Amino acid sequence: NAGVTQTPKFRVLKTGQSMTLLCAQDMNHEYMYWYRQDPGMGLRLIHYSVGEGTTAKGEVPDGYNVSRLKKQNFLLGLESAAPSQTSVYFCASSYAASLDTQYFGPGTRLTVL
Amino acid sequence: GENVEQHPSTLSVQEGDSAVIKCTYSDSASNYFPWYKQELGKGPQLIIDIRSNVGEKKDQRIAVTLNKTAKHFSLHITETQPEDSAVYFCAAPGGTSYGKLTFGQGTILTVHP
Repeated sequence: NAGVTQTPKFRVLKTGQSMTLLCAQDMNHEYMYWYRQDPGMGLRLIHYSVGEGTTAKGEVPDGYNVSRLKKQNFLLGLESAAPSQTSVYFCASSYAASLDTQYFGPGTRLTVL
Repeated sequence: GENVEQHPSTLSVQEGDSAVIKCTYSDSASNYFPWYKQELGKGPQLIIDIRSNVGEKKDQRIAVTLNKTAKHFSLHITETQPEDSAVYFCAAPGGTSYGKLTFGQGTILTVHP
């Protein structure tokens, strides 16, 4: 049982390049989330999914897109990376919506030059 | 939406002392208050949570108290040890569904041997 895994662990992009971050969970969780973590700002929700085939916007969705084609995977895409998207990205999942533990992946450190 | 304020941003204690971290929230509909611990280079991990129908919960050396009238909750760590050194985050869901959490800004706790 690997829990929540994220690929890649590190990435450096140039402004304007695109990339996809992959999140996978093996706990059969319905709910999945993408957060970004910046110094002094805690964790901010980018997008989330309440089940396979569904996605919704979180607090800071601009510049990102997501897809949940399979229940176990949640992809975060950057179509045209900007330096403001330099951050550490965390994926999380939970079995139920409210009052339930969110399990986090190890994170992806992204630098946009 | 929900707004969560966390204080202090940094906290330094001697081994064996107690540590207290405080959070306030804005949405009176919030009914679930988790605390996460993030060690260096890892994703956050739930350490304790409290539901709105209780005022205090304890798990060995850690405890959380909740004051719904004042809309604040606190994390208490007793007999601190060097391995307690980490970043701690509080969170609250607000009145929204789908498990969306708003996180505090984080507290860097350092326990000196």
